[in-house]
Parts: sequence; C-alpha cells; structure tokens
Amino acid sequence: EDKVVQSPLSLVVHEGDTVTLNCSYEVTNFRSLLWYKQEKKAPTFLFMLTSSGIEKKSGRLSSILDKKELFSILNITATQTGDSAIYLCAVAGAGGTSYGKLTFGQGTILTVHP
Amino acid sequence: KAGVTQTPRYLIKTRGQQVTLSCSPISGHRSVSWYQQTPGQGLQFLFEYFSETQRNKGNFPGRFSGRQFSNSRSEMNVSTLELGDSALYLCASSLLEGGEQYFGPGTRLTVT
Repeated sequence: EDKVVQSPLSLVVHEGDTVTLNCSYEVTNFRSLLWYKQEKKAPTFLFMLTSSGIEKKSGRLSSILDKKELFSILNITATQTGDSAIYLCAVAGAGGTSYGKLTFGQGTILTVHP
Repeated sequence: KAGVTQTPRYLIKTRGQQVTLSCSPISGHRSVSWYQQTPGQGLQFLFEYFSETQRNKGNFPGRFSGRQFSNSRSEMNVSTLELGDSALYLCASSLLEGGEQYFGPGTRLTVT
C-alpha cells in the first residue's frame, strides 16, 4: 500500500524566515510526486516532480525530489503571512490500481506570524 | 479557462438518506477523481473516471458510487448515509491520467 509521511506536522515561523517541509514516500511503481497548498478551501496545485523533472522553482517556492532516498522537500524563502496554510504532499503510482489516484500525506500546518 | 466546479457547496442530510454530488471538470479534462477529506483521515481517494469508465476505486464501501457522462461531468452518490460520512468531498480533474490534478472547491456534507 502506498504511503506518504510529512514532517513536521506543524510549524510556526515569523515573516522573512525560510522553511523546509519534508515528505517521504513509499509507492509501487512511482510516477510522480505533487505538492499542494490548502487554505480554507480546496488544495491548490504547486509542483509536480517526476523522474524527468526532479527540481522545480516558482518565485519563493522550490522543491526537489530524491528518488533514491524516496523523499522530497518544499522550501519557502522569505515567508509571508499569506503563506500560512496546510501544505500537502501526494504521490501517484503508474498503471493498474494507481489510475487517477493520489495518496496524500497528513499535511504540514504552516503558520507565519507578522 | 474556468476551473473545476462542484455543486452543491454545502449539504445537510439525515442518516439513512442518500445524496448526489456533481463535478464539472476543467474544459478538455477527461479524468475526474473524487476524494473524501476528514480531520481524522485526511484526503482519501474514492474513485477515478476516465472516458465514462471507472478505472480505479479506493477502499470505501459500496454505498459510495459514481459515474461520468460523455461531457466528462461526473457525479458521486452516497446511499444510506451514516454520521461518519460527514466530510468535505473534493473532485479533481486532470488532462491526462497521471498528470497533475486540479481540485474543485468541494462539497461540505454534514450528516445529522
């Protein structure tokens, strides 16, 4: 059974700090790893990392994938109060019983104080 | 391009009743996946439809069912509602199977 574990479960920082969120996974026949941001609504897509794209960056957010060690990190630099949210990591397997299925971690609750 | 839409946004039902939730994917997306989100269990996969066919199903009882129409719109149905079915039901659409999934705003179901 696919499994995703995120750490820490919660994090409190001040504006301007840099944070690193961790995600380790076990998945049969890995296809991709995705990061989402969830505020008081539906998850918003951030990044998808695959075997052919193990590093992504968008503004102050960046993410890397280590397929050998089976983990990913999401970095947020110069945090802002608007970054306060739950960050979800998910993995997708390939084929068979994995069609259209994302397995999610518990999420990391990030709180950024002014 | 319009995002994923879900109706209704909020629903209150009584135990034993049944409910139907609707999801319209992003235009051109043919894969629709459904998830249940609860504080205790997080986001859990319910099922996925592609070209009107259910391709995958999660570990939920048979009371949970769904379908997809030729225009890729999808519905999910929960029969004989239980208190534990109270949750946020999210659907997500994807252009390709295995591609990134984009979520709708969800339907908040409360069972009393």
